[in-house]
Parts: sequence; C-alpha cells; structure tokens
Amino acid sequence: ILNVEQSPQSLHVQEGDSTNFTCSFPSSNFYALHWYRWETAKSPEALFVMTLNGDEKKKGRISATLNTKEGYSYLYIKGSQPEDSATYLCAFGGSGSARQLTFGSGTQLTVLP
Amino acid sequence: GAGVSQSPRYKVAKRGQDVALRCDPISGHVSLFWYQQALGQGPEFLTYFQNEAQLDKSGLPSDRFFAERPEGSVSTLKIQRTQQEDSAVYLCASSLGAAGQGARGYTFGSGTRLTVV
Repeated sequence: ILNVEQSPQSLHVQEGDSTNFTCSFPSSNFYALHWYRWETAKSPEALFVMTLNGDEKKKGRISATLNTKEGYSYLYIKGSQPEDSATYLCAFGGSGSARQLTFGSGTQLTVLP
Repeated sequence: GAGVSQSPRYKVAKRGQDVALRCDPISGHVSLFWYQQALGQGPEFLTYFQNEAQLDKSGLPSDRFFAERPEGSVSTLKIQRTQQEDSAVYLCASSLGAAGQGARGYTFGSGTRLTVV
C-alpha cells in the first residue's frame, strides 16, 4: 500500500500571506507527481505534473518543487487571495502502476479577507 | 464536450438498491478513470479504461461494483445492492493519451455524491 501524506490537513491564512504545504510520497519507483486544486462544488483542476527530480513549476502565484530522492514536494502560494481557498491534492504515480494515481488526503486552505 | 460531465450530481439510494453513475469524458480522450472519495480522505482509484478496454479494475472494492465503457466514450459505474459504506463522492477523470505515456494531468468531472440510507 503506497503512503502519500499531505500536511497540514487544513490551514487558515490572511489575505496577502504567503503559504506552503507539503506532500510526501515513496522515494522508490517514482514516475510522476501531480498537484490538483479542488474548489467546493467544482471539479479538481490540474495545477502541475512533475516528473524530474529538482523540477520547479510555476503558474501565476503558485509554484511547486519536487525532490524524488527524498520523496517530497512543496506547493507555494505567494500573496494568498480569497479565491485561492480550496483543497489542494497531491497524487503520486509510481512506475510500476502508472495508471493509478495514489492521492493524499489534501490540504484545505482558507484565505480570510 | 468542453469538460468531463458526470450525472447525476447527487444520488440518494436506499440500502440494497442498485445505482448507475454516468461519466461523459472529453471527446477523443483515450483514458478514463473512476475514483472514490470517502469523507475526509483523498480519492482512491477504482478502475481504468483505455478506450473500451478495462485494463485495470484492481481498485473495485467488491463484486458489487461494475464499470463499463462499451464504445470507448461514455462510461457507467454500476453499484449493485448498495451498502452504507458505499456512500462517497465518485469522480471520473479522462486524459488524452494512454495512462503511463507521458506525464499528463487528468481532467476531472465534478463527481457524483452518493448517499446510501
């Protein structure tokens, strides 16, 4: 059974604050690491798909880093806005079972105006 | 269509009832996945189709769960004799290429929330 852990489970920040969360995953048989944003009553939306150790990806105020050797990824949000409020999910794709993504339980972010 | 469409959005079933959940993926997407998300947990893999072929059904929790994609487009997840533990959000996702070929994000539907009473 693959273990994908996300921390913290939930987070409240003030508008304008920068924040980050962690996803840890198995360091062996790595294929890809996905990040999704899931707003209430909407569909999960793909943010990043990362495949190479040391990858850094950026989309507006959101960025992510990847360390496959130690099995972790960080998601950063700079200058949080209320519209960033959502659950952020990471998902690990292993090389042996690339069809299946194993998701973490998510970090629920609330940005207070 | 423009996105992945799932229906119904909400379903309340009496214990023992059969239910059918529909997923309409993005046109031309080869891969289709079903995930189950229980309250407070992340989505868990149920099954994977490449076109009409069900290549992986290792995540289906029991033989009461059955999925099909007969023409390689619309998929139906059927749950027979529903139990309370089946209550969850059922998510469908599709992607353009075959899973495992290239690192692509999935496009998810909004899910069907099933409540078994």
